[in-house]
Parts: sequence; structure tokens; C-alpha cells
Amino acid sequence: GQQLNQSPQSMFIQEGEDVSMNCTSSSIFNTWLWYKQDPGEGPVLLIALYKAGELTSNGRLTAQFGITRKDSFLNISASIPSDVGIYFCAGQGPHGGSQGNLIFGKGTKLSVKP
Amino acid sequence: DTAVSQTPKYLVTQMGNDKSIKCEQNLGHDTMYWYKQDSKKFLKIMFSYNNKELIINETVPNRFSPKSPDKAHLNLHINSLELGDSAVYFCASSQVGGYTEAFFGQGTRLTVV
Repeated sequence: GQQLNQSPQSMFIQEGEDVSMNCTSSSIFNTWLWYKQDPGEGPVLLIALYKAGELTSNGRLTAQFGITRKDSFLNISASIPSDVGIYFCAGQGPHGGSQGNLIFGKGTKLSVKP
Repeated sequence: DTAVSQTPKYLVTQMGNDKSIKCEQNLGHDTMYWYKQDSKKFLKIMFSYNNKELIINETVPNRFSPKSPDKAHLNLHINSLELGDSAVYFCASSQVGGYTEAFFGQGTRLTVV
């Protein structure tokens, strides 16, 4: 089945630093989503991308939909302690059948040194 | 005003029991999902369901079954619980056909002892 490779798996950063993570896929996706999960909570949508090449920002977060439609990255600028959590990428194939379901990456665990 | 709510938040039960987790969404979405998150935090879809189609991940044991009394609810029934069923289960919903962001509930941590 479809798989997403998300990297890095985890990272420690100094407060104020910029963070970058990415996802790649062997197949094309129509939609890329980025979620954040805090401990004991469900994933919360951060950014949604719908067009190849699209670059979207949400505050200090910026994400891009790769031109090939097989990858996406998420950047966090000037990280703060509340950025701690697990970040997931998710891709969605063409609508219809199981391909229309979201496929999740394995997550990037972000830890910030205060 | 919780968009996707699931109950209970925690569920501890013995092997062999049958249990249910309830999910409700007030977003007016037409598709609902159940995901399983294992101890390594990997999220894997179990079911997706709208009023037309139930799509089952082929790896899900038939002891798991979704039940949808109406468009706003998708409950998860689990029969003959096993130790390996221990995980966090998330309900989610989305609107298919157009923008399709999925919104998640807070999760149900199931522990089978």
C-alpha cells in the first residue's frame, strides 16, 4: 500500500531556532496535510495543501506541496517551548475507494530545549 | 462545542470482553473514520464510512466493526478483546468531495489486561 517517509524521526532544538521536516512518497498525492499532536490529545490540523507547488503559511509555520506531488515540507520559524509535540504529515490520493483515505507519516517528535 | 467527540477517553477491560467506543461529530461532515495509534505513535486507518460506502482496511480483524446509526455518529465495536488491541483509537470526520481535511477526536486509550 501507499507509504509516507517522514524525517527526521525526532529532533532537539534550541529555542528560537528554525525547524524543518519533510515527507516523501512513492506515489502521487492530491492533498498534503500537516498535523500536530500534543500528549493525550488528537492530531490537530496545522496546514492543508491542495496544489503542486503551493506554499502556505500559518503564523510561524510554512509548508509546501512539492512540484512532483510526491513530497512536502514543513518549516517552523523561531521555535518556542509550546512547539513541542509530534508532527505528522498526511497525504491523500485521488478521491474514491481506499485511495481517498489519509495516509500518515510516522511522525517527527519535536523537543525544544528551553 | 467539541467538533468530534468520542467516549470514553479511557477504557480498561479484560481479555475476551466486548466493548464499544462512541463517536459523534457536529461538523455536518459526510464521512467518518476510525484510526488506531500504536505505542510508536503510528496512525493507521481502520475504517472510513459514509452513507454510501464502508471501506475496511484489510488488516483489521473482523472482531472490529463500525456501526453508524446516523450520519453524525460512527461507533466502534470490538469483540473478544485481545492484549494486542491495546492502543489509542481516534475517530475523525471529513467532507468528501472538495476540501477534505480530517478533524480528529481526542482519542480513547484502550488497555486490555
